[in-house]
Amino acid sequence: SYILTQPPSVSVAPGQTARITCGGSNIGSKSVHWYQQKAGQAPVVVVYDDSDRPSGIPERFSGSNSGNTATLTISRVEAGDEADYYCQVWISTIPDHGVFGGGTKLTVL
Amino acid sequence: EVQLVQSGVEVKKPGESLKISCKGSGFTFTYSWIGWVRQMPGKGLEWMGIIYPGDSDTKYSPSFQGQVTISADKSFSTAYLQWSSLKASDTAIYYCARRSSTNWSFDYWGQGTLVTVSS
Repeated sequence: SYILTQPPSVSVAPGQTARITCGGSNIGSKSVHWYQQKAGQAPVVVVYDDSDRPSGIPERFSGSNSGNTATLTISRVEAGDEADYYCQVWISTIPDHGVFGGGTKLTVL
Repeated sequence: EVQLVQSGVEVKKPGESLKISCKGSGFTFTYSWIGWVRQMPGKGLEWMGIIYPGDSDTKYSPSFQGQVTISADKSFSTAYLQWSSLKASDTAIYYCARRSSTNWSFDYWGQGTLVTVSS
């Protein structure tokens, strides 16, 4: 089965840049989506197709994907960005299905 | 406005059956893929499966194949997730979500249904 590996936690001071990685075999050949989940809320997509942002998501959120690692970058981090972040891909082998990474807790110091 | 509204909290005993629901509005439910995601207490998101109500084509994660059944009634714009015999380990929040037709991310989510299984 396909495994996506994320660091359990990332800590950053306000105003700094947070980078959250998502590792997977040849993940660069797949489209990666990133979700933000704040405590007690449903997830929200913040980046889709590696680097595109839905309307309403600040430009501070960006993504990249190459080789075996996809990265979500949050610039000028704010206290309100504190949340769990998940990467997700679609596996096209039979049976085709989706997979989430284990999630990363972003702490704003 | 796109909305997915899920059924309410469930408290069940081990061995009991359960069917929870997810009603869509504000979009063409029949031609949208609707997925289910599990979140066990204090844990991460797990992709369970997805259904296309138009023809009931359903895809399951290998981890959930045979453990749950996903169905849909397009006439009621509602998707379902059901268990025939619950276990304590089924205790979790279950989310439904719509898969975007253009980029395959889950672009809209329901509010979640808390299922507690305890004797």
